[in-house]
Amino acid sequence: GNSVTQMEGPVTLSEEAFLTINCTYTATGYPSLFWYVQYPGEGLQLLLKATKADDKGSNKGFEATYRKETTSFHLEKGSVQVSDSAVYFCALSTVQGAQKLVFGQGTRLTINP
Amino acid sequence: DTAVSQTPKYLVTQMGNDKSIKCEQNLGHDTMYWYKQDSKKFLKIMFSYNNKELIINEIVPNRFSPKSPDKAHLNLHINSLELGDSAVYFCASSQVTGYYGYTFGSGTRLTVV
Repeated sequence: GNSVTQMEGPVTLSEEAFLTINCTYTATGYPSLFWYVQYPGEGLQLLLKATKADDKGSNKGFEATYRKETTSFHLEKGSVQVSDSAVYFCALSTVQGAQKLVFGQGTRLTINP
Repeated sequence: DTAVSQTPKYLVTQMGNDKSIKCEQNLGHDTMYWYKQDSKKFLKIMFSYNNKELIINEIVPNRFSPKSPDKAHLNLHINSLELGDSAVYFCASSQVTGYYGYTFGSGTRLTVV
């Protein structure tokens, strides 16, 4: 079946540090890939997405590139801010079978000033 | 104008009670979902409906019964609540293919005491 694996958290960084959160996937067929963010006490927001190999999704300074050869979709940001503190979820969706979004386990990110 | 709205936001109830959570989307999406987020933040799909038809029913106790009166609404009714049902429940919607991503509601935090 389809699955997503994210790097273990929690991750703690200082402000302006470089961020990478690793995500790899296993999928039947050709998935669309997503990063969602959950700020404290809030719901899930779509951060960025990519729908085909070598696509780069970007938003709010975050980027992730769809790498089919390594089945990865790592999230990066060049300079994090305290306001980026949240839980980040990598997810995939395929058109084969019943349509649904499969999530990784989430990575809690804390940015210290 | 909220795209996916859930009510209530918080629900505290005693074991054995029956409760409902309502969800409405105004995005014109064909497919709606219920996800459960446990205390470790893990997100798992429970149900999905496409145009009022049940598509996905993961291994969920039959105390949980979704109802979709029309394609803009997907309600979740839970009978005989148990302590283990305490979680955050998210409603979501997407177009049929999920290509453009999934839009989530802000969640309902259910606490069973």
